[in-house]
Amino acid sequence: QKEVEQDPGPLSVPEGAIVSLNCTYSNSAFQYFMWYRQYSRKGPELLMYTYSSGNKEDGRFTAQVDKSSKYISLFIRDSQPSDSATYLCAMSEITGGGNKLTFGTGTQLKVEL
Amino acid sequence: EAQVTQNPRYLITVTGKKLTVTCSQNMNHEYMSWYRQDPGLGLRQIYYSMNVEVTDKGDVPEGYKVSRKEKRNFPLILESPSPNQTSLYFCASSLRVGTSGGSQYFGPGTRLTVL
Repeated sequence: QKEVEQDPGPLSVPEGAIVSLNCTYSNSAFQYFMWYRQYSRKGPELLMYTYSSGNKEDGRFTAQVDKSSKYISLFIRDSQPSDSATYLCAMSEITGGGNKLTFGTGTQLKVEL
Repeated sequence: EAQVTQNPRYLITVTGKKLTVTCSQNMNHEYMSWYRQDPGLGLRQIYYSMNVEVTDKGDVPEGYKVSRKEKRNFPLILESPSPNQTSLYFCASSLRVGTSGGSQYFGPGTRLTVL
């Protein structure tokens, strides 16, 4: 079983829809939780990171963490075609080598006109 | 502009021919890392460096070498590439260990094909 599980999709939604992207994890040592967006032929770019359980909002994006269930989500409101990308969840734990990131395999999202 | 740059962006080579992929960041970041991205496996860390002259293995270091002689540069070396190293490679950096939960800035990627 992978430490981080993420549905690969693809997920196709109409413009304006609310999108929910999710990851589950098994490692209780994860302390920080991140979402990255990756456009085709580009490197991942950080969208949001959070430390504690609860919600964190940034514009149209809301990250939600439930440590008790080992479950994190990213919600995108009023989705736009420009949101079409692959979304990667990532989690970090403190190790001897600093913050070690473990990534999900990514969910491919397509927002259609 | 703050960025991580990688060169080359695309490379096709043959088995056994040594190659180097360069990585440079202009943000004065202490922490740098190399990842490979493969379908169904996601991003996996190859090597990382916590500062100049400090490097260590990640999850998949076999067949790779790195060096960190300057803070801004972190080249990835494949001494004898093999076809199973065909992949998309990303360099990443962050300010220092522990900041922002370890969240990192990524370069644009290098697509390597080993024939």
